[in-house]
Amino acid sequence: AQSVTQLGSHVSVSEGALVLLRCNYSSSVPPYLFWYVQYPNQGLQLLLKYTTGATLVKGINGFEAEFKKSETSFHLTKPSAHMSDAAEYFCAVSDGAGGSYIPTFGRGTSLIVHP
Amino acid sequence: KAGVTQTPRYLIKTRGQQVTLSCSPISGHRSVSWYQQTPGQGLQFLFEYFSETQRNKGNFPGRFSGRQFSNSRSEMNVSTLELGDSALYLCASSLEGATGGAPLHFGNGTRLTVT
Repeated sequence: AQSVTQLGSHVSVSEGALVLLRCNYSSSVPPYLFWYVQYPNQGLQLLLKYTTGATLVKGINGFEAEFKKSETSFHLTKPSAHMSDAAEYFCAVSDGAGGSYIPTFGRGTSLIVHP
Repeated sequence: KAGVTQTPRYLIKTRGQQVTLSCSPISGHRSVSWYQQTPGQGLQFLFEYFSETQRNKGNFPGRFSGRQFSNSRSEMNVSTLELGDSALYLCASSLEGATGGAPLHFGNGTRLTVT
């Protein structure tokens, strides 16, 4: 069965600093991987996704993530944090095992950006 | 293109009552999924409808039900409300369902409070 673990329920960075949000997954078959962002009082918005091909995936707002099969990881990074990046970030995995591609979401990581 | 629309945005109900939430997907999207989001449990999958048929179902009691209409609009119903049903209910639409890595497009949710 697929599962996702996001390390750290809260991550705090200074504006301009590197952002690193960690995601590890478990899947019996090659998965599809996603990062979503949720701003207060809003739904989730897709940041980026990995399906096949290049392991470094670029998303919106300067975010990118690298798929590392050997480490079963899909960490999200951004070189320089901005105040507007403060939000909840969710990693999700979808592997189609059992015929269903319904994604499983991690518990989320709240990104706090200090001025 | 208009996004996913959920109504109402906020609801306050009393224990034992029932409630109906509505979701209008992005035009052309045939799949609608419902999620329950709480601080304690994170994002939990309720069910997915595709072309008016329930295609996938999560591990929720029978008090939670849904349906999809021919125009792809969906409703979910919760009967005999319990305090623990207080949550943000998110609807997400997708062109063909969560297949082949297709991302979900979320609405802003309905905040249900049960007193």
